[in-house]
Amino acid sequence: NAGVTQTPKFRILKIGQSMTLQCTQDMNHNYMYWYRQDPGMGLKLIYYSVGAGITDKGEVPNGYNVSRSTTEDFPLRLELAAPSQTSVYFCASNKGGGSLWEQFFGPGTRLTVL
Amino acid sequence: DQQVKQNSPSLSVQEGRISILNCDYTNSMFDYFLWYKKYPAEGPTFLISISSIKDKNEDGRFTVFLNKSAKHLSLHIVPSQPGDSAVYFCAAREGNTPLVFGKGTRLSVIA
Repeated sequence: NAGVTQTPKFRILKIGQSMTLQCTQDMNHNYMYWYRQDPGMGLKLIYYSVGAGITDKGEVPNGYNVSRSTTEDFPLRLELAAPSQTSVYFCASNKGGGSLWEQFFGPGTRLTVL
Repeated sequence: DQQVKQNSPSLSVQEGRISILNCDYTNSMFDYFLWYKKYPAEGPTFLISISSIKDKNEDGRFTVFLNKSAKHLSLHIVPSQPGDSAVYFCAAREGNTPLVFGKGTRLSVIA
């Protein structure tokens, strides 16, 4: 199992550009999440999904969009990038149910918007 | 309004001694608590968890204590090793809602 994979690892965007952060998991997990981590801060939830075709907003969804067309993939779309979106982005997943709430994280994507 | 608080941004401990990382929460409906460890340039990795029906869970050198009346949990690492140097995040959840994370505590274990 590769676990949770994220691409790209690094990206520099200009203000106003758009991009998609890719996230894939091969553990057949129902739940997937996108977090951002700013320096000195914890992980803030952007969007999450409880299964294919279902997505919900987290704490900081503005400026982002997601889709979940398959169980494996949960891409995060940034439209009109802004400097405030400079951050490290983590994708995570878990099976859910009972005690299966341990989240597995990807290695992160470091995004800089200039 | 932070529901999960880690009030110590950093902690330094001598190798071989005990490390105690603290976490406070405000939501009395949280029923499951987790600790994650994060090295630089990597994603967080799960360390240990505890259900609200327990007050202690142990896994090797790591023990988590939960005091529900005080809304406080702590992670004990004994003995501390240099490889334990990392950022530790406390997280909590209510039912099947997403985890809520604290800001993290950076642990430095000095050889």
